[in-house]
Amino acid sequence: DGGITQSPKYLFRKEGQNVTLSCEQNLNHDAMYWYRQDPGQGLRLIYYSQIVNDFQKGDIAEGYSVSREKKESFPLTVTSAQKNPTAFYLCAGQPTGGHTIYFGEGSWLTVV
Amino acid sequence: AQSVTQPDIHITVSEGASLELRCNYSYGATPYLFWYVQSPGQGLQLLLKYFSGDTLVQGIKGFEAEFKRSQSSFNLRKPSVHWSDAAEYFCAVSAEAGTTDKLIFGTGTRLQVFP
Repeated sequence: DGGITQSPKYLFRKEGQNVTLSCEQNLNHDAMYWYRQDPGQGLRLIYYSQIVNDFQKGDIAEGYSVSREKKESFPLTVTSAQKNPTAFYLCAGQPTGGHTIYFGEGSWLTVV
Repeated sequence: AQSVTQPDIHITVSEGASLELRCNYSYGATPYLFWYVQSPGQGLQLLLKYFSGDTLVQGIKGFEAEFKRSQSSFNLRKPSVHWSDAAEYFCAVSAEAGTTDKLIFGTGTRLQVFP
């Protein structure tokens, strides 16, 4: 819907390894978000960014890191400190001045 | 703190039947309210939203929702369900943080449609 592209769709990693999920948008959205989805728990906010080179922690930021070096890109790194990283991760963007958030197609991360 | 409650975890309806999915929110001011739909393994698609004005809002795919301030509710309805409507539905409220809206989601309602 909103030109949010996430990659890869599926990712498998061994426990103890860091992994980076890509999120790119081509609609000039100022704000971008990362959510985590677990069965029965809805979506929970990990990090968000309002402008380039600035980001804030969401409700479950521990064990995650982000960067916002370019407006189009907001990658999420799941570090080895994240105790239960297996989940579905959703990136989203928000147009300037708007209140609607648009989501990408998500990335499945499985840590074994 | 803001919160969203979707009391029904799972709903099953027959194709052609009417549908109502419940959503209650807790928020001090007038909220921005949203309904999203998610097919298995996919991202979330916006169905409709309420910001202000007419309390009955129309969305895509024949869905509508009614904002009732007195009941703190924003229930989603469809007069006649199609098999393709089977999915998970999320209600969300926006808790503004400066110029960035942080969506708070309910836990979702899974809709199953029988032929």
